[in-house]
Amino acid sequence: EAGVTQFPSHSVIEKGQTVTLRCDPISGHDNLYWYRRVMGKEIKFLLHFVKESKQDESGMPNNRFLAERTGGTYSTLKVQPAELEDSGVYFCASSQAYGGGETQYFGPGTRLLVL
Amino acid sequence: AQSVAQPEDQVNVAEGNPLTVKCTYSVSGNPYLFWYVQYPNRGLQFLLKYITGDNLVKGSYGFEAEFNKSQTSFHLKKPSALVSDSALYFCAVRDWGYGNNRLAFGKGNQVVVIP
Repeated sequence: EAGVTQFPSHSVIEKGQTVTLRCDPISGHDNLYWYRRVMGKEIKFLLHFVKESKQDESGMPNNRFLAERTGGTYSTLKVQPAELEDSGVYFCASSQAYGGGETQYFGPGTRLLVL
Repeated sequence: AQSVAQPEDQVNVAEGNPLTVKCTYSVSGNPYLFWYVQYPNRGLQFLLKYITGDNLVKGSYGFEAEFNKSQTSFHLKKPSALVSDSALYFCAVRDWGYGNNRLAFGKGNQVVVIP
């Protein structure tokens, strides 16, 4: 069974440009999450999809970030325009069910550097 | 709100010695606790979790963790460390009573196993 995949693995862009990150969850997983780790700090929650619906987007930093999950399969996270402080590693995770003890399985992350 | 503290930035241990990575948490409801490991240039891999029941949880690669409610701790342990255990370890908590499905992570501990 394939795990969570993310594309691209690395992205280097200039301030003001747009970047789109993609996440493909484990097949059959309705729940999809985005997290971010800024250099040396905690991994922070961004948002949670259940199928195509945003269940919780309380962690999104501002309106420069837009997440979509059309059709309830893969998800994209767009940053427009990118700022220096957006640099970090963006992780995607998925889980099969919605529940307290449910395990979230993470992808390899996308390393974003904004210059 | 839920939070996790991993007090040590780096843990150094000689190969063959016991390894302990410390984690304390804060939640308003019932905690669900997780450990993840990140090897160099890889994503987060799930190690083990505590939901309920036996306070000693066994996981992958010979790791175990002990849930201590009175001390609000969930320390990760391995009886005999291997050089290949050198990695970044993250503790995470989900406060199911808080009504969300997100994970709150600690800042991570770098484990260095010395040959």
